[in-house]
Amino acid sequence: EAGVAQSPRYKIIEKRQSVAFWCNPISGHATLYWYQQILGQGPKLLIQFQNNGVVDDSQLPKDRFSAERLKGVDSTLKIQPAKLEDSAVYLCASSSGGLAGGLETQYFGPGTRLLVL
Amino acid sequence: GQQVMQIPQYQHVQEGEDFTTYCNSSTTLSNIQWYKQRPGGHPVFLIQLVKSGEVKKQKRLTFQFGEAKKNSSLHITATQTTDVGTYFCAGGPYNFNKFYFGSGTKLNVKP
Repeated sequence: EAGVAQSPRYKIIEKRQSVAFWCNPISGHATLYWYQQILGQGPKLLIQFQNNGVVDDSQLPKDRFSAERLKGVDSTLKIQPAKLEDSAVYLCASSSGGLAGGLETQYFGPGTRLLVL
Repeated sequence: GQQVMQIPQYQHVQEGEDFTTYCNSSTTLSNIQWYKQRPGGHPVFLIQLVKSGEVKKQKRLTFQFGEAKKNSSLHITATQTTDVGTYFCAGGPYNFNKFYFGSGTKLNVKP
């Protein structure tokens, strides 16, 4: 089966600009996650969707980050305006859905590497 | 902040030596998952432990979940160069839809 797709793979922007990332999860997966992985650190969960509803967005900097999954399939993550400290890899993952507390295997996409200058 | 801590941060071993990484949580976890991330790659699921005291093996890899479900370990016997990468544990507390990755242990294996 096809894996999690993400685009673009790389993005370079200047601070204060806007950027958007796209993710298409594995077909049929109800749960979608966006993670931020800063170099040398573990992935940090930004937001978790169950179908088109938000399950957890407690670590999402809502003043500049937004995410949506309108039809419960693919999702976009936006940063507006970007700051230098947003330079990171943004990982999208999906799981089949239905179980709380991270009980399911998450399948990760290749990530989008963002550099903010 | 991070709820799951991992040590060591880095480990350099000679090929054939053993390797262990430890994961600790301040709260009881509902389960623990282990992922491997190759350099430049994305995390890939290795295993999930759910039961207190559970031990699982995958070839040269042995995973343990502590009796109190607050710690876990991954042990690799006789490392190979293909084991190079960063190993992450991840877990969440009971009754909360929260899931935290540890900071990872970066393993380098010298041939």
